Amino acid sequence: DAGVIQSPRHEVTEMGQEVTLRCKPISGHNSLFWYRQTMMRGLELLIYFNNNVPIDDSGMPEDRFSAKMPNASFSTLKIQPSEPRDSAVYFCASFQGSGYGYTFGSGTRLTVV
Amino acid sequence: DQQVKQNSPSLSVQEGRISILNCDYTNSMFDYFLWYKKYPAEGPTFLISISSIKDKNEDGRFTVFLNKSAKHLSLHIVPSQPGDSAVYFCAASALSTDKLIFGTGTRLQVFP
Repeated sequence: DAGVIQSPRHEVTEMGQEVTLRCKPISGHNSLFWYRQTMMRGLELLIYFNNNVPIDDSGMPEDRFSAKMPNASFSTLKIQPSEPRDSAVYFCASFQGSGYGYTFGSGTRLTVV
Repeated sequence: DQQVKQNSPSLSVQEGRISILNCDYTNSMFDYFLWYKKYPAEGPTFLISISSIKDKNEDGRFTVFLNKSAKHLSLHIVPSQPGDSAVYFCAASALSTDKLIFGTGTRLQVFP
């Protein structure tokens, strides 16, 4: 099992540009989560999906952020337009509904200049 | 509003000694608690968990204690090893949801 796969690992973009982060969850896991890690807030939940349906997007900071899960094996987090304060590490995690918690991907380090 | 709080951003412990990491929560609906460990450039990995029906769970060198009345949990690592140096996140969830709420993390450094 390759685990949760995120791409790209690093992204540097200019303010105002659109950024798309990608995630492939573990096959068979029916829940998918997007988190953002910052020094001030730690791991902050942005949105989560269950069976490809968005369940809770209350953590999405503003309308510039959007997330989709078109099928069970793929999700995207999009920021448009990006701002320097969006710079952080973004993690995707998946969960099968029982057992020992989430499995996280290795994250995407986003830098907006 | 931070529902899960880790008030110590860092901790330094000598190898062989006990490391104690603390976590407080505010939401009384939380009934399942986890600790995750994170190395640089990697995602967090699950370490140990505890249900609210217990007050202690042990796995090798790692023990988690839960004090529901104080809304406090702690992770004990004994003996501490240099390979334990990482950031540790406390997390909590309510039975009605799969959503995990994480704290801000504590960076543990174990020195020889």
